[in-house]
Amino acid sequence: AQRVTQPEKLLSVFKGAPVELKCNYSYSGSPELFWYVQYSRQRLQLLLRHISRESIKGFTADLNKGETSFHLKKPFAQEEDSAMYYCALSDAGNMLTFGGGTRLMVKP
Amino acid sequence: DAGITQSPRHKVTETGTPVTLRCHQTENHRYMYWYRQDPGHGLRLIHYSYGVKDTDKGEVSDGYSVSRSKTEDFLLTLESATSSQTSVYFCAISESETSGETYEQYFGPGTRLTVT
Repeated sequence: AQRVTQPEKLLSVFKGAPVELKCNYSYSGSPELFWYVQYSRQRLQLLLRHISRESIKGFTADLNKGETSFHLKKPFAQEEDSAMYYCALSDAGNMLTFGGGTRLMVKP
Repeated sequence: DAGITQSPRHKVTETGTPVTLRCHQTENHRYMYWYRQDPGHGLRLIHYSYGVKDTDKGEVSDGYSVSRSKTEDFLLTLESATSSQTSVYFCAISESETSGETYEQYFGPGTRLTVT
């Protein structure tokens, strides 16, 4: 069975510091990986997916199949990045398996 | 925001009472999902639907049932609510996957349910 692990429940950094939100997964096939974000009082929304290889709001994530990881990174955190972040995995069907989430707090 | 609404947005109910949550979409998407969100557990899939009258169980389906009689509506029912079902419930929709690529899921605003 597939599983997604986000080891940090809370990550607190200062504005301008680098950020790395960790995500590890277990899956025997070729997964699709996603990062979803939930800002305060807003809906959960897609931030980025590994297939598109985009940089969204300065965030990037690289799929490392050897380490089964999909860590989310940003070189300089902003206060507006404070949110709940969820890593999710799909087996190329329509089902997503979510990690437990990491709350990012960016302090001024 | 995608055209997804949930009702009610907040509900407090007593143990043992039935509760029905409604998800309504105006996007004509084929797939609809119900998740529950709990601290430390992230989002866990309760049930999903891949068409009218076509539903299946998710990871945490015990104690829940669903129905989809129209494309736009997906109902989640707690037949006899328990305190362990206190949670935030999210509905999501997506199109069908094609060519092996998963489509984005769009989420509703959530329903906060408290069972006392």
